[in-house]
Amino acid sequence: EPEVTQTPSHQVTQMGQEVILRCVPISNHLYFYWYRQILGQKVEFLVSFYNNEISEKSEIFDDQFSVERPDGSNFTLKIRSTKLEDSAMYFCASQRDRGNEQYFGPGTRLTVT
Amino acid sequence: KQEVTQIPAALSVPEGENLVLNCSFTDSAIYNLQWFRQDPGKGLTSLLLIQSSQREQTSGRLNASLDKSSGRSTLYIAASQPGDSATYLCAVSSTDSWGKLQFGAGTQVVVTP
Repeated sequence: EPEVTQTPSHQVTQMGQEVILRCVPISNHLYFYWYRQILGQKVEFLVSFYNNEISEKSEIFDDQFSVERPDGSNFTLKIRSTKLEDSAMYFCASQRDRGNEQYFGPGTRLTVT
Repeated sequence: KQEVTQIPAALSVPEGENLVLNCSFTDSAIYNLQWFRQDPGKGLTSLLLIQSSQREQTSGRLNASLDKSSGRSTLYIAASQPGDSATYLCAVSSTDSWGKLQFGAGTQVVVTP
């Protein structure tokens, strides 16, 4: 069964460094998302992406964040200058079409020291 | 602003008992509602998706109901097994933001043998 994959599973970085989190969505899906979950808190929406552009972004998704679909398979989240409060589990999700289920990847645990 | 609440936060039942998990939301203008399972340190596994026009959705031992007017959904798991131990999350999308899932904090379930 097709699944969303994410790499790396765990990333440790120093404050102020740039990180890129990678996702491979399910191949025939058209809508892509990033969410994050800070330890002990709710899963929260960051951004949605469709047709090579951002559809919607949350207040969290400020100028330090960017997303890209550099080729036909990968979907990336870049954090330009990480802060301690960016430490969280980051989930990528994909969706075949509007109104369908969103399928989540296993997550990347980002630790900022 | 949509608020999603799940009560109780934790639940422990003996094996074989039926599970009843509750989800409430404040804004009835939902597009759909999705139930997920999350195992510790892992990603989210989609269980069921209910469209706003539906009252119920079933998959195997799982049954989810939706009452939009009262802002509630209930997930029933029949004949629970120790393998059902996990955190169960509900998430809603709104009619004006159909791709953005807003999550509850989850109900942590333990099924004892």
